[in-house]
Amino acid sequence: NAGVMQNPRHLVRRRGQEARLRCSPMKGHSHVYWYRQLPEEGLKFMVYLQKENIIDESGMPKERFSAEFPKEGPSILRIQQVVRGDSAAYFCASSPGQILPTGELFFGEGSRLTVL
Amino acid sequence: GIQVEQSPPDLILQEGANSTLRCNFSDSVNNLQWFHQNPWGQLINLFYIPSGTKQNGRLSATTVATERYSLLYISSSQTTDSGVYFCAVELRGSYIPTFGRGTSLIVHP
Repeated sequence: NAGVMQNPRHLVRRRGQEARLRCSPMKGHSHVYWYRQLPEEGLKFMVYLQKENIIDESGMPKERFSAEFPKEGPSILRIQQVVRGDSAAYFCASSPGQILPTGELFFGEGSRLTVL
Repeated sequence: GIQVEQSPPDLILQEGANSTLRCNFSDSVNNLQWFHQNPWGQLINLFYIPSGTKQNGRLSATTVATERYSLLYISSSQTTDSGVYFCAVELRGSYIPTFGRGTSLIVHP
């Protein structure tokens, strides 16, 4: 029973490039959350998605950041024109629940983005 | 939004000691979870505990939802307990778990 899978685990980008982070939820989970963690800080909510729908993106910057969770395939967090301040660990979590999430989160191992 | 405060922010223990970590929250919640982030950055589920008491080995947790706090007890601590402990709470009706800033624990041999 595979857990939440994130890739890449580490990503290095130069300023101005694009970063794409992928997340496959646990089998049977249709609720996906993305969180960002800066060094020495807690996890900050970015976006909550269900299959094909963005439910809440209140924590995601309006510019350069986008997220999707297509009917087939993993959820993707995309950061365009990266800047040094985007360097962080990006964690994906999934939650069980048919229509509404149960609220229990299961995390992947994170993707660590470094912007040079 | 909901405020989540964890205390203490930092804790240093000698192996074998017991400790209590606290999570206070400012509003009624649907759900509460405790996580351990190990030194490699992995987030490990400890407890899903909206209310009541649960135990798992040397760890136990109690949530008193009516008084808006949760406690995580670590007994007979080991060096492998080192890391950061987070609580995450979900405001009633929001479906978005909010994390506290964590308690950083170091256990010395």
